[in-house]
Amino acid sequence: EADIYQTPRYLVIGTGKKITLECSQTMGHDKMYWYQQDPGMELHLIHYSYGVNSTEKGDLSSESTVSRIRTEHFPLTLESARPSHTSQYLCASSDLEGRSGANVLTFGAGSRLTVL
Amino acid sequence: AQKVTQAQTEISVVEKEDVTLDCVYETRDTTYYLFWYKQPPSGELVFLIRRNSFDEQNEISGRYSWNFQKSTSSFNFTITASQVVDSAVYFCAYNFNKFYFGSGTKLNVKP
Repeated sequence: EADIYQTPRYLVIGTGKKITLECSQTMGHDKMYWYQQDPGMELHLIHYSYGVNSTEKGDLSSESTVSRIRTEHFPLTLESARPSHTSQYLCASSDLEGRSGANVLTFGAGSRLTVL
Repeated sequence: AQKVTQAQTEISVVEKEDVTLDCVYETRDTTYYLFWYKQPPSGELVFLIRRNSFDEQNEISGRYSWNFQKSTSSFNFTITASQVVDSAVYFCAYNFNKFYFGSGTKLNVKP
């Protein structure tokens, strides 16, 4: 039973379209993350948030943007998709330090984006 | 800087064989956590184990076992009597403030 949900699971769109990848978690976690996974399997952190109205860029530069208006929701948006954005995007969340299970990342099933 | 190395890009074994996935990390931190995650073909990463740097006890869970050796900065993962359902990509990760993932090892278990 998934506690973190990503939609859509698969998306094929044309260049120039605006897309939003949704991520929601039901665990009340304060920390949320977006990872981009390339075909070579490596995971790259592109955005993270430690709470409502807090967002930071990750280690890999990304043209995407994120927002965190509600604790449970962390959508990722691409204003104008390009073929170079084709990838798997994984959303994750974790609890705060000091709580049981803190720093264990719980991942969603991923959104596989293909831009033609 | 912290770094996690999984030197084995892909491993193929026949069912019932034992297989060990290697993980080596670099750090100057004294307190940290190490993780293993499994990514089956369905795509999500599934948490398998977390160890903190002060607990070097090896752990066994069913057919899975983990060998943490601080002296060699290694946290290896062994699957005993592998099964086809073990086929997946396995990631080792290091955490202190941030997460650092290895590049993953793809395990193919053939019937």
